[in-house]
Amino acid sequence: AQSVSQHNHHVILSEAASLELGCNYSYGGTVNLFWYVQYPGQHLQLLLKYFSGDPLVKGIKGFEAEFIKSKFSFNLRKPSVQWSDTAEYFCASRSGGGADGLTFGKGTHLIIQP
Amino acid sequence: NAGVTQTPKFRILKIGQSMTLQCTQDMNHNYMYWYRQDPGMGLKLIYYSVGAGITDKGEVPNGYNVSRSTTEDFPLRLELAAPSQTSVYFCASSSLWGAEAFFGQGTRLTVV
Repeated sequence: AQSVSQHNHHVILSEAASLELGCNYSYGGTVNLFWYVQYPGQHLQLLLKYFSGDPLVKGIKGFEAEFIKSKFSFNLRKPSVQWSDTAEYFCASRSGGGADGLTFGKGTHLIIQP
Repeated sequence: NAGVTQTPKFRILKIGQSMTLQCTQDMNHNYMYWYRQDPGMGLKLIYYSVGAGITDKGEVPNGYNVSRSTTEDFPLRLELAAPSQTSVYFCASSSLWGAEAFFGQGTRLTVV
């Protein structure tokens, strides 16, 4: 079975600080990877996704992630965070072509202090 | 487009009661999913469907049932509600060849 590990459950940063959230997945075959964001009281929204090709993926709101196959990692980064980035961030994986849904990490609660 | 629509948004149930969480999508997606989200635990897959008439169990199916009579609708049924089913439930859908899932707004269910 697949599993996804997120290294930090709670992260507190000041505005303008740089962000990196760790994510490791366990599946050894072809994999699709995702980062979702959940703002307070809202549903999950897709930040970015990796299917194939360039391992550096750019998403919405200035976020990016790098797929490193040798490390089974897909870390999320943002050079300068804003107060509005306060949210829960979920990394998720799916076996390539699979129909059985996404496997989610436990999430990272990010708080940005003004 | 409305995307994925869930009803109700909030519900309080007594132990032993039953209810159906409704989910409908207007994107003509073949794949639909039900997840539950518990604090600090991420999302767990309850059931999924790859098309009308086809459903399968996910990671945590006990206490739930689903049906998929049409492409658009994927209701989740709780027959005998238990406190352990207190959670936030999300319905999602994805296209046949794409893997990105689109989520509904969620249903916050409390069983007392």
